[in-house]
Amino acid sequence: SYELTQPPSVSVSPGQTARITCSGDALPKKYAYWYQQKSGQAPFLVIYEDNKRPSGIPERFSGSSSGTMATLTINGAQVEDEADYHCYSTDFSGTHWVFGGGTKLTVL
Amino acid sequence: QLQLQESGPGLVKPSETLSLTCSVSGGSISTSDDYWVWIRQPPGKGLEWIGSVYYNGRTDQNPSLKSRSTISVDTSKNHFFLNLRSVTAADTAVYYCARDRKYCDGDKCYFYGMDVWGRGTTVTVSS
Repeated sequence: SYELTQPPSVSVSPGQTARITCSGDALPKKYAYWYQQKSGQAPFLVIYEDNKRPSGIPERFSGSSSGTMATLTINGAQVEDEADYHCYSTDFSGTHWVFGGGTKLTVL
Repeated sequence: QLQLQESGPGLVKPSETLSLTCSVSGGSISTSDDYWVWIRQPPGKGLEWIGSVYYNGRTDQNPSLKSRSTISVDTSKNHFFLNLRSVTAADTAVYYCARDRKYCDGDKCYFYGMDVWGRGTTVTVSS
C-alpha cells in the first residue's frame, strides 16, 4: 500500500524557519495537502495543492513540492504554531488517499 | 456556515459493528462539488483516511478497511454514514467526518482539501 513518510518531530526556536518534509513516490504527479492539528482538536487545512493557502492562513505558512518530496515551511515560527502537522495525498490511482505519519512541531 | 457533527455509540464490543452518522447542517449534502469523508485517529497515533462518499452514493475506500467498511449517504436527511464490521481493539479511535470540495478543469478534477471538519467522536472497542 502507498505510504507518505514524515519525520516524527521537528524543533525550532521562535522566529526561526521550520521545515517539515513529506516523501512519497506519487508526489511528482499528485498534489500534497497539509493539516495542522493542535492537541485535542480536529485537524485544520493550512496548505492545499502543494503551495496554496486557504483564506485566513498566515503568510508565514508556505508549501512546495519537488520530485518525490513536499515541504511545509513556516517562516518565523511562533509558539502558537506548535502542533502536529500531517501531509495528505493520493496514490497513483487518484482514488486512494493517505496521510503521512504526522510531525510534531515544537517551538521553544 | 457549513457544520458537521459525528454521532454514534462511544463503546462497541469486539466483533460487533461500529455505526456512525455525520450530520451536515448549514448546507446541502447533495452538491456536486463536495465529497464527504471519514477519517480516524487511534490514541496517540496519526490520521487514517477511511473513505469518502459522493452525493450519488459513489464511494472510494481505504483498501485496508474496505472488506469491513461501508460508507453511504442519505440525501433526504443530509447525513452520511460509516459502518465498520467485526471491530477489534485496533479500531479504537477518534472518528472524524469532513468535507472535501472538488473542482474540474476539462476532464481533470482536483480537490481544495478538507476545509470543514466535525469535532470528532471517540469510539472505544472493549467488552
